Amino acid sequence: QSALTQPPSASGSPGQSVTISCTGTSSDIGGYNYVSWYQQHPGKAPKLMIYEVSQRPSGVPDRFSGSKSGNTASLTVSGLQAEDEADYYCSSYAGRNKYVFGTGTKVTAL
Amino acid sequence: QVQLVESGGGVVQPGRSLRLSCAASGFSFSNYAMHWVRQAPGKGLQWVAVISFDGTSKYHADSVMGRFTISRDNSKNTLYLQINSLGAEDTAIYYCARDRGSGYSNGYLAYWGQGTLVTVST
Repeated sequence: QSALTQPPSASGSPGQSVTISCTGTSSDIGGYNYVSWYQQHPGKAPKLMIYEVSQRPSGVPDRFSGSKSGNTASLTVSGLQAEDEADYYCSSYAGRNKYVFGTGTKVTAL
Repeated sequence: QVQLVESGGGVVQPGRSLRLSCAASGFSFSNYAMHWVRQAPGKGLQWVAVISFDGTSKYHADSVMGRFTISRDNSKNTLYLQINSLGAEDTAIYYCARDRGSGYSNGYLAYWGQGTLVTVST
């Protein structure tokens, strides 16, 4: 399974929106609606932020939203806050009962 | 509350074997699929393996197949990862994680342990 492609970095001023892309293939993102997003602060374990493309687990602020079009999934953080500074990873089912993560994006609040 | 505690990491010589453990508590362990995910120092996340709630189905990433084996003991609420023929490329933090929903895996990792560090070095 090849890693999904994410931009290395993304940034925005506090209060602005930031969108992170996650590009795969028809064998993973494009073939299934099993896309999830994780937030990871330095030295911490990842945290599930979005599942099933656009669903938010309980406790995740509604400024986090997800979508998918074709082979590309996206995570949008609306109204960026300082605590949103972290690494973000997408993940997708890749067929044959296997999964793949994205390369990761470091989000910075300017 | 859900708690996952990994153990078994450390400094290991190349070519040796290691078994990692993940002790689960705060939920019905036998109802959930479980995963291992690793992260090399300063690098991204890499999915390693998944095991079904009852242990009958196991799947590993192509890159580790044949060297890594995931298993579980539902009577002990413990998940395992056996790693053989360790190489420098296996140096990483190894996390265990639980699926969000019960039954077979959907790949949504809702709960994570804090990880155990494996360092392969002479």
